[in-house]
Amino acid sequence: GIQVEQSPPDLILQEGANSTLRCNFSDSVNNLQWFHQNPWGQLINLFYIPSGTKQNGRLSATTVATERYSLLYISSSQTTDSGVYFCAVGNYGGSQGNLIFGKGTKLSVKP
Amino acid sequence: DGGITQSPKYLFRKEGQNVTLSCEQNLNHDAMYWYRQDPGQGLRLIYYSQIVNDFQKGDIAEGYSVSREKKESFPLTVTSAQKNPTAFYLCASSRDSDGSNYGYTFGSGTRLTVV
Repeated sequence: GIQVEQSPPDLILQEGANSTLRCNFSDSVNNLQWFHQNPWGQLINLFYIPSGTKQNGRLSATTVATERYSLLYISSSQTTDSGVYFCAVGNYGGSQGNLIFGKGTKLSVKP
Repeated sequence: DGGITQSPKYLFRKEGQNVTLSCEQNLNHDAMYWYRQDPGQGLRLIYYSQIVNDFQKGDIAEGYSVSREKKESFPLTVTSAQKNPTAFYLCASSRDSDGSNYGYTFGSGTRLTVV
């Protein structure tokens, strides 16, 4: 099946700093999503982005499908951004019909 | 507001006991999913259902069972055959059965502990 690798595994930032999280995947995909899991376990969908670039407030994401990676940018980080960020990929109609999750990047934003 | 409701939030299971986790959605989504999350790990797929009265095994289905009698409901039973059931269980849904063009929506999860 498709392998998903996220980096870095852990990230500590000072409030106000910017960061880039990376997701590499081993095969072609037509579904890629970024999620944020808060400290209470709730997963929130941030982006559906199998290709291209999207922005939502201080967050933006870019997926370069031909090179098999996606980036999540967080600007002017806030303490509420803390939690774990997951990348998940899938290939509907191909070898991996459902989402495969990476192990996540744990982000801690210090005040 | 539309969303996914999982209950209970916390569940304790005795050895040899079956327990059922509830998942209900009012989003009118076709597809529903059950994931398991262990500490410090990503999510692993247990079962999924693309349509009522149909479901398929995911990567770690052994020791679990599901049903999909109604579009809104997708309960998960953790049976006594599941040897290490202590984990965080997450239910999700998506609008289209192939998940294309729409993201997943997750419930708030159930923490299951064996006592």
